[in-house]
Amino acid sequence: GAGVSQTPSNKVTEKGKYVELRCDPISGHTALYWYRQSLGQGPEFLIYFQGTGAADDSGLPNDRFFAVRPEGSVSTLKIQRTERGDSAVYLCASSRSGPSSTDTQYFGPGTRLTVL
Amino acid sequence: GQQLNQSPQSMFIQEGEDVSMNCTSSSIFNTWLWYKQDPGEGPVLLIALYKAGELTSNGRLTAQFGITRKDSFLNISASIPSDVGIYFCAGSVYGGATNKLIFGTGTLLAVQP
Repeated sequence: GAGVSQTPSNKVTEKGKYVELRCDPISGHTALYWYRQSLGQGPEFLIYFQGTGAADDSGLPNDRFFAVRPEGSVSTLKIQRTERGDSAVYLCASSRSGPSSTDTQYFGPGTRLTVL
Repeated sequence: GQQLNQSPQSMFIQEGEDVSMNCTSSSIFNTWLWYKQDPGEGPVLLIALYKAGELTSNGRLTAQFGITRKDSFLNISASIPSDVGIYFCAGSVYGGATNKLIFGTGTLLAVQP
C-alpha cells in the first residue's frame, strides 16, 4: 500500500486477555518501529526492528509485551495478560533504511486499545 | 518514558495570527523534527532539522535547531483553520543498535475562523 497500515483500528478487550496488533509497513522499508501514545501525551518508543531482528527493545515496559517481524515486513505486537494501564493508541512507523540523520519515519494511523 | 518539554500546552488563536511554540531537552540531539497529528491519525512530518543553528522553512512553517542542540522552535505564520491539530517536537536518537524518536508533550492548536 501507499502508507503504513495498522489493524485493527480499535480493539476492546477485558483485563487479563491476550491481544495482537498488526502493522503493515511501507513496501521496501527495512526499519519498523512501535510507539505507544497515552491520552494527552506524545508517542513513546517501544521497539525498533531492522529487518527481522529487534535491534532495540529497550522501550518495552515489561515482559508482557513482545513483538515479532518474522519475514522482515509485517510486524505483530503481542500483549499478554492485559491490564487497564495498557489502554493507549499503539502507533507503528516504518523507514527506508534505519539509523541515519535523514531517515524519515512514517507513521500509521494507530490501533486504539481499550482494556476494560 | 522520556518526553521533551514543549510549550505552550495549548493555544487558541484567530485565523491570520502567527503562532510560535518551542521544545527543550536536557539531552543533546543531532536531529530535531516537528510533526503534526490530526485526530485518529498518526503524526505527519512537517520539518526536519539536521544541524545546530539551522533555520528551515516549509511554506508558512519555519523551524530552528537551537545552537546548544537542546532546543528547537516552530513558527506558523498567517494561521488558517486547517492548521488545527496537535504539534509535536521530536529528537532523533540513532546510531549503533538504536534508532528512535523522543517526542515532546505536544501543543494543541485551535484556530478560530
